[in-house]
Amino acid sequence: EIVLTQSPGTLSLSPGERATLSCRASQTISSTYFAWYQQKPGQAPRLLLDGASSRATGIPDRFSGSGSGTDFTLTISRLEPEDFAVYYCQQYGRSPRAFGQGTKVEIK
Amino acid sequence: EVHLLESGGGLVQPGGSLRLSCAASGFTFGSYAMSWVRQAPGKGLEWVSAISGVDGSTYDADSVRGRFTISRDDSKNTLYLQMNSLRAEDTAVYYCARADGLDYWGQGTLVTVSS
Repeated sequence: EIVLTQSPGTLSLSPGERATLSCRASQTISSTYFAWYQQKPGQAPRLLLDGASSRATGIPDRFSGSGSGTDFTLTISRLEPEDFAVYYCQQYGRSPRAFGQGTKVEIK
Repeated sequence: EVHLLESGGGLVQPGGSLRLSCAASGFTFGSYAMSWVRQAPGKGLEWVSAISGVDGSTYDADSVRGRFTISRDDSKNTLYLQMNSLRAEDTAVYYCARADGLDYWGQGTLVTVSS
């Protein structure tokens, strides 16, 4: 079973700052089957990036992803007020299709 | 426009059963894999089950294997989750989502397991 560990648990930043979120897998995974999601309070999650780095429809280009093997990164280049939320990584190449535990990006 | 609408949630006693439905519209349902993901109150996302759009193969989390069954009726554009032997720890909002990359999500339906 693949375990995804996200860090940090909470990221306290100001609007306009750069956010860097990490997701580490317990085993090598295919970047083709790796995704990032955003969830705001009271809402369903939303797909941000698929294939580790491809933005989903309507996702602004301040969101970018990178990584391969066991280490993946989500970067938000300049935080907008609407970006303060919880972010989850997920691998779906092998069952069970684990999510990371989430990183909360909060306003400093 | 893609739309997913879950239904069937509610309050059930431990050991009871419930069937969730997810009505899909706005896309060719039978061409897509579908998944169920749940979120316990105040907790993170937990993948539950997935079903292929190609051959109907199913995949389950260890926590629900043998108790939950995912299925689909492509003629009705509907995804199902039959949940048996429910436990308190199954209490969560249950979301259905399209495709393996979960590109569209419903708004969720709350399942509460309590006596």
